[in-house]
Amino acid sequence: DAGVTQSPTHLIKTRGQHVTLRCSPISGHKSVSWYQQVLGQGPQFIFQYYEKEERGRGNFPDRFSARQFPNYSSELNVNALLLGDSALYLCASSLIGGETNTEAFFGQGTRLTVV
Amino acid sequence: AQSVTQLGSHVSVSEGALVLLRCNYSSSVPPYLFWYVQYPNQGLQLLLKYTTGATLVKGINGFEAEFKKSETSFHLTKPSAHMSDAAEYFCAVTRGDSSYKLIFGSGTRLLVRP
Repeated sequence: DAGVTQSPTHLIKTRGQHVTLRCSPISGHKSVSWYQQVLGQGPQFIFQYYEKEERGRGNFPDRFSARQFPNYSSELNVNALLLGDSALYLCASSLIGGETNTEAFFGQGTRLTVV
Repeated sequence: AQSVTQLGSHVSVSEGALVLLRCNYSSSVPPYLFWYVQYPNQGLQLLLKYTTGATLVKGINGFEAEFKKSETSFHLTKPSAHMSDAAEYFCAVTRGDSSYKLIFGSGTRLLVRP
């Protein structure tokens, strides 16, 4: 079975541009979460979506937005990119969004570099 | 609010030696605790988790961790380090409610000397 897939794997953008990152969860998983991992730090929670609805939001500015599609894939959008947005963006899928003892499976991440 | 502190950003051990990675948490509610491993240029892989029940948890690759409520700790151990264990390790905590928000520590890089 395919794991969590993210695209693209690497991306270089210029300050002020917009970026869209994509995630396909494991088949049958209905919950997708997004995390930002800045170099040398642990991942920080951005969003959780379950059944196409936002279930949680971390402490990120409104430039960050996301959505989940009927097939449970998800997009993370970041507007007006700043140098500080350079990071590894991780997507995690889990079987059930409301059960915290369900394992979250992480994708390989998208490495975003803002220049 | 919840938080995680990992003591030691880098830990170096010899191959065959005991591995001990420290994690302390803060939580106002009973926590669920996790250890993840991250190899270079890869995502996170779950090593083990504690939710309820037995406080000594065994995971993959010979790792285990013990939940000690009185010490608010969840240290990760492995009796004998292998070269393949060299990676970044993250401790994480979450609440037992309807959200699945993992709060991660800053990570510990494990170096294994031949």
